[in-house]
Amino acid sequence: DGGITQSPKYLFRKEGQNVTLSCEQNLNHDAMYWYRQDPGQGLRLIYYSQIVNDFQKGDIAEGYSVSREKKESFPLTVTSAQKNPTAFYLCASSFRDRVNQPQHFGDGTRLSIL
Amino acid sequence: GDSVTQMEGPVTLSEEAFLTINCTYTATGYPSLFWYVQYPGEGLQLLLKATKADDKGSNKGFEATYRKETTSFHLEKGSVQVSDSAVYFCALSGGHTGTASKLTFGTGTRLQVTL
Repeated sequence: DGGITQSPKYLFRKEGQNVTLSCEQNLNHDAMYWYRQDPGQGLRLIYYSQIVNDFQKGDIAEGYSVSREKKESFPLTVTSAQKNPTAFYLCASSFRDRVNQPQHFGDGTRLSIL
Repeated sequence: GDSVTQMEGPVTLSEEAFLTINCTYTATGYPSLFWYVQYPGEGLQLLLKATKADDKGSNKGFEATYRKETTSFHLEKGSVQVSDSAVYFCALSGGHTGTASKLTFGTGTRLQVTL
């Protein structure tokens, strides 16, 4: 079955450490997205990518970095510059050549600070 | 910019009760509207969508009608079950062909259904 796979499900970060969250999709979607979810705040867009080797900042990009070297993969790095990284991170994907397509989501990665 | 406002939760109902979760939006142009559901510890699943005014989206007994005159997309279900307990997100997309369908989300409404 096609879908979006996020790994790991749980991740712990030490102070000053960069960590990378994996997101892989086999839906043949062009666009991919990273969201951060905090309790009571809904989802906030971190970065998104419409095509390979191209990506744009979302609303809360500071302290995060991404790459899009392959259509199927869109890893997110949480850098040491992100001072409050504890959150639930969701990856999503969609087609970009059809108007207003819904996004499909992975099951998320929960990041905590040690 | 675009925005979505949902009623605050939690909403607590008895099984078989009628559900309404209010959602209103602000957007330029003609957005598409979505309801997503999130079960504990999981990602979001698309519940239903509507792409133009007066469209009704429906799935699993849930319905929502795109009301342009009131800029609303309220979620309804005639008889809820315990298994419907989850967080529900209203969202809009104002994207155009050839661009990423960026979504603007509401803050979510937690629904708890009891026996």
